[in-house]
Parts: sequence; structure tokens; C-alpha cells
Amino acid sequence: AQSVTQLGSHVSVSEGALVLLRCNYSSSVPPYLFWYVQYPNQGLQLLLKYTTGATLVKGINGFEAEFKKSETSFHLTKPSAHMSDAAEYFCAVSETGGYQKVTFGIGTKLQVIP
Amino acid sequence: GAVVSQHPSWVICKSGTSVKIECRSLDFQATTMFWYRQFPKQSLMLMATSNEGSKATYEQGVEKDKFLINHASLTLSTLTVTSAHPEDSSFYICSARDTSAGYHEQYFGPGTRLTVT
Repeated sequence: AQSVTQLGSHVSVSEGALVLLRCNYSSSVPPYLFWYVQYPNQGLQLLLKYTTGATLVKGINGFEAEFKKSETSFHLTKPSAHMSDAAEYFCAVSETGGYQKVTFGIGTKLQVIP
Repeated sequence: GAVVSQHPSWVICKSGTSVKIECRSLDFQATTMFWYRQFPKQSLMLMATSNEGSKATYEQGVEKDKFLINHASLTLSTLTVTSAHPEDSSFYICSARDTSAGYHEQYFGPGTRLTVT
């Protein structure tokens, strides 16, 4: 079984400040890990993913995440928040075999304060 | 990039009627598609896994007779909510796996907002 824990359902940062969204996962096998962003009444957009290889993954819009196996974490960061980053962010873990079902965290709503 | 569309984007129906939602992969073939529902301010919950040419696999607690899934082609899966009730009101999102791009490539549709009155 796999699961995802996102710490903090709401995070507020000032424009220009560091963004840090936390994600811890549980998986019985080496996981695939994802971060998605969702704007109101829209579907999900993939920010970045980790499958294999380099543990520091760079995504779109200046976001990056680091896979830390020892900490079972995959935290999302961005050095400088922009107003357009305000959205809901979901961390997800996927099976690496079978139908590769994706399990999502509860989401973190990011508010950017001008 | 790979695109998944959903139709309609929103629908309002009366209690007791049925509603069909389409999920299409526009520029790739999808052997497997997934259906999720999302309640307000909550995460996505997987409802079922849809496989082309075979019966869908439903998650525990999801009524297969209420949420009918048909995956008749490699680019189309449909979700029919039968005898809809207000508690079925939700945001339904599909995703499709691009078989040719490797196991980890899964693309999401824009979602369908269903309101049952």
C-alpha cells in the first residue's frame, strides 16, 4: 500500500519569499513521485516528477523537488514566490508496476501575499 | 505534449437522471484511463481504472452499477453516473496513461463539474 502525507493544508508566503511545501510518502517499493498544481475549477498540471536517476528534480515555473529516500520525503521548493503561484498543490505517489495507480495527498493551498 | 480532454466541462442535471462524461486522449493512445472524483477542498479519490476492451476495476466503496465506465477505444473512456443524486455532485477528473511514453506518463483532463439538483 502507498500513501502520501502533505504537512500543512494552507501555506502563506510573501511575494519573493521561498516556497516550501512538504510531502512525505509511504511505499513498499521504490516509488514514482509527482507534484501537481491545480488552479480553481481546472484539472491537474504536472509540475515535476521523480522516477529514477538524479534525486533533485527540476520542473516548470521554477519549482524543484528533492527525493530523499532516507527521509521518505519529496518536498517542493521555489526560491522566489510569484503571485501567479497561488494555487493548490498535490503531492502524489505511483505504483511502479501494474496499472500504476496514483495516490494523492490532501493538497496544500498556497497563498502568496503581495 | 499529450492532451486529454473531457466533455462536458460542467453539467447540471436533475435528481434521478443519468449523465455521461467523456474522456478523450487527443494525440496518443491510452490503454488505461483512470477516473477520479474530487469533493470541495479535498484531494482526488480514485474511483476506477478503465482498460480498453475490458471491464473497469473499481476501488473499494465505489458502486459499479452507479458509475458505469466504458472504454470502447484507445482514445475514449466514458463515465455514466446513473440515477444521479445531489450527493453525486462533485468534480470528476480523468487521466490517461500514454503507453508509448513509459509507465510513468499519465496525463489529466481538465475535469467535469457535476451538479445534481
